[in-house]
Amino acid sequence: NAGVTQTPKFQVLKTGQSMTLQCAQDMNHEYMSWYRQDPGMGLRLIHYSVGAGITDQGEVPNGYNVSRSTTEDFPLRLLSAAPSQTSVYFCASSYSISGPLGGGDEQYFGPGTRLTVT
Amino acid sequence: GDSVTQMEGPVTLSEEAFLTINCTYTATGYPSLFWYVQYPGEGLQLLLKATKADDKGSNKGFEATYRKETTSFHLEKGSVQVSDSAVYFCALSDDSNYQLIWGAGTKLIIKP
Repeated sequence: NAGVTQTPKFQVLKTGQSMTLQCAQDMNHEYMSWYRQDPGMGLRLIHYSVGAGITDQGEVPNGYNVSRSTTEDFPLRLLSAAPSQTSVYFCASSYSISGPLGGGDEQYFGPGTRLTVT
Repeated sequence: GDSVTQMEGPVTLSEEAFLTINCTYTATGYPSLFWYVQYPGEGLQLLLKATKADDKGSNKGFEATYRKETTSFHLEKGSVQVSDSAVYFCALSDDSNYQLIWGAGTKLIIKP
């Protein structure tokens, strides 16, 4: 099992550029999510998905799009990069969708993508 | 809404010292509680969890007890090692909307 994989590991963008952060998991997890991590702010949920074809917004969705065409993949698209999107991005997945954490399901995290927007 | 508050860091200790990292929460329901750990340059990984009041989660010498009366889930370890240096996150599950609510994280530095 590779677990949760993310690419790229590092990325530098100019303001206004677009790009896609890739996330894949090989554990057949229904629930997947994207977080951003900023100093002193913990993790903030961007978007999440409870299964293929179903996505929903988290706490900070503006400027980001997601899709879930397969159980395995959950890409995050930055539509027009801004310096405020400079952050570390983590993808995570878990098995259950019945209360995610439905009694305490563990979330598995990818290694992260460090994005800098200049 | 639900929230999690952790003690601010960094917390700096000597090897073999006793560790406590405080975590308190506010929640309208009966959440599950978690501690995740992030080692330098890596993603987060689950350290321990508790799913109901008075449950104790434990792993790798770390412990935390779900205290409903004080709405707390403090992380403790009797004797820390240099390898425990990391950032520790407290979180609770919001079962109503499939989200985890995260604390800001506490950086722990252990000196030999």
